[in-house]
Amino acid sequence: SQQGEEDPQALSIQEGENATMNCSYKTSINNLQWYRQNSGRGLVHLILIRSNEREKHSGRLRVTLDTSKKSSSLLITASRAADTASYFCATEGTDSWGKLQFGAGTQVVVTP
Amino acid sequence: GAVVSQHPSWVICKSGTSVKIECRSLDFQATTMFWYRQFPKQSLMLMATSNEGSKATYEQGVEKDKFLINHASLTLSTLTVTSAHPEDSSFYICSASYRGEGYTFGSGTRLTVV
Repeated sequence: SQQGEEDPQALSIQEGENATMNCSYKTSINNLQWYRQNSGRGLVHLILIRSNEREKHSGRLRVTLDTSKKSSSLLITASRAADTASYFCATEGTDSWGKLQFGAGTQVVVTP
Repeated sequence: GAVVSQHPSWVICKSGTSVKIECRSLDFQATTMFWYRQFPKQSLMLMATSNEGSKATYEQGVEKDKFLINHASLTLSTLTVTSAHPEDSSFYICSASYRGEGYTFGSGTRLTVV
């Protein structure tokens, strides 16, 4: 079963704008990861945030984690057309190494 | 960085036939690989955990006799969809852990059963 939900389900923005998506989960986790998937392609690992971390940055990406609310957010700053993709959060539970539970995903479209 | 090579990228087969999908870890050893399935416009669902030298562990609801997994070496895991039917049409993707910083995914296999 899926771990949780992501919102929004779809997001349409213009180049240069920021894109924010949220992820909620239900169980205790070791870490939460964000992945990007271009249409019909494999997944690309973006960033991993551990349960004892609250915020992490990687280039134009900023991820937050609130374990008390069991939620995470992914912010993409200064978006580009190449950022158009589906974004998934995935959690690795404390008792399930390697078994990622994926959210439903957010489809992001960035128009030039 | 770590790369998982998955083949084929797409396959069309007739109903009742079997299809083998391969995942190879390049430049690193993967004692454990994971197989996921993704239906159109849906998220990924874990099917099974493939362990080198031992039997795979299947998630609830996944038929082990239909989805045969072999992990004969530290760099190769295979998923065979046996007696495929149209409802097995899906996107299958494997992954492996690399250095504890997330997972590396293969490029996926689009299976269409006609």
